[in-house]
Amino acid sequence: QAQMVESGGGLVQAGGSLRLSCEASGFTFSDYYMSWIRQAPGKGLEWISYMSGRSDYSKYADSVKGRFTISRDNGQNSVHLQMTNLRADDTAVYYCARVEGFCSGGSCYPDSWGQGTLVTVSS
Amino acid sequence: EIVMTQSPATLSVSPGERATLSCRASQSVSGNLAWYQQKPGQAPRLLIYGASTRATGIPARFSGSGSGTEFTLTINSLQSEDFAVYYCHQYNDWPPWTFGQGTKVDIK
Repeated sequence: QAQMVESGGGLVQAGGSLRLSCEASGFTFSDYYMSWIRQAPGKGLEWISYMSGRSDYSKYADSVKGRFTISRDNGQNSVHLQMTNLRADDTAVYYCARVEGFCSGGSCYPDSWGQGTLVTVSS
Repeated sequence: EIVMTQSPATLSVSPGERATLSCRASQSVSGNLAWYQQKPGQAPRLLIYGASTRATGIPARFSGSGSGTEFTLTINSLQSEDFAVYYCHQYNDWPPWTFGQGTKVDIK
């Protein structure tokens, strides 16, 4: 079955940068959109970004637009999130998720999630 | 942006009883709604998509219903492993995807 393993989280000062990675297995990676979703401590889920299987389409939440960049390497079955100009309110567990459904037709959702990686931004 | 509102925030239920969780969308999301279960320290797990279709491996005691703006997740005969936080998620109008704030189901 689909498995995702995130890495790259840690403690960073406000204004700093961090690059998260997610290695996927158990499915044909290039066939799927991939997404990043985060969860601040004790809070709910917030969608951050997603990218199409061929990397030709991506979107971002307003809260991270211009600061975060999603990318993927289908040869390595991996998706990345480059985070710059980090703020204290970016502190969260960041989940990588496979996206199921027909995104081009407007109907798709995250179906398999990794265990997450914690990013802590100190002010 | 579509706002998803879940109620109640906390639901206290005895094992073996039924739990009924509600999710309301600020505008119609048709049937493009999913439910997730999250236990402490774990990632969310997909339970329901398309408002009423159980994901692979999800027990039949979990059922979803509704369309438009009103949705319900019902858990029949609650088991000990069902005590968790449940989130609804709309994927009809995006970006952005949006989630409800969660309902915690705890032991009465």
